[in-house]
Amino acid sequence: AQTVTQSQPEMSVQEAETVTLSCTYDTSESDYYLFWYKQPPSRQMILVIRQEAYKQQNATENRFSVNFQKAAKSFSLKISDSQLGDAAMYFCAYRSAGAGSYQLTFGKGTKLSVIP
Amino acid sequence: GAGVSQSPSNKVTEKGKDVELRCDPISGHTALYWYRQRLGQGLEFLIYFQGNSAPDKSGLPSDRFSAERTGESVSTLTIQRTQQEDSAVYLCASSLELATAGELFFGEGSRLTVL
Repeated sequence: AQTVTQSQPEMSVQEAETVTLSCTYDTSESDYYLFWYKQPPSRQMILVIRQEAYKQQNATENRFSVNFQKAAKSFSLKISDSQLGDAAMYFCAYRSAGAGSYQLTFGKGTKLSVIP
Repeated sequence: GAGVSQSPSNKVTEKGKDVELRCDPISGHTALYWYRQRLGQGLEFLIYFQGNSAPDKSGLPSDRFSAERTGESVSTLTIQRTQQEDSAVYLCASSLELATAGELFFGEGSRLTVL
């Protein structure tokens, strides 16, 4: 079974600075998807960014980018120019690309605080 | 609707009672998922539905848990004879189709507290 590990239960960053959240995963599969979800206090999970394992290029969405290291099974999230609205729980998630594999496996999350 | 809607937002119940949680997915979304989030934990997969296909129930923790969905509409998660360990936020999500699973749209969850 796949596992997702987020080793940083809490992180903090000064407003306008850059922060990197770590995620590692364990899988024997070669084709899969990785995601970062944000969960603000409202509890509603929001997709931040997605990476297909077969793509070597790191995904980017505005201030959010990932560092995907397939061999190391590492998938970190970098938030640039941090804003107060970025404060939330961030969850890393894994999904197999195989047919019939539609579950997402989530890490335990990292709580990000943004200091004004 | 504009987003995934869940009710109730909060539910407090006594141990041993049955509870029913409701999820109204985004219109047109054929896939629907239920996840459980215990305090300080990540999300645990419970069940998903895709159209009229047989649901994947592999994540349901016990036979006290069941879920139904009629077609591509509302889903209900039922927990019978609730226990204190059932206390959690129950999140529902939907997506256009299973092939795009991962690009899920979540509701705000139903927080269940079992006394």
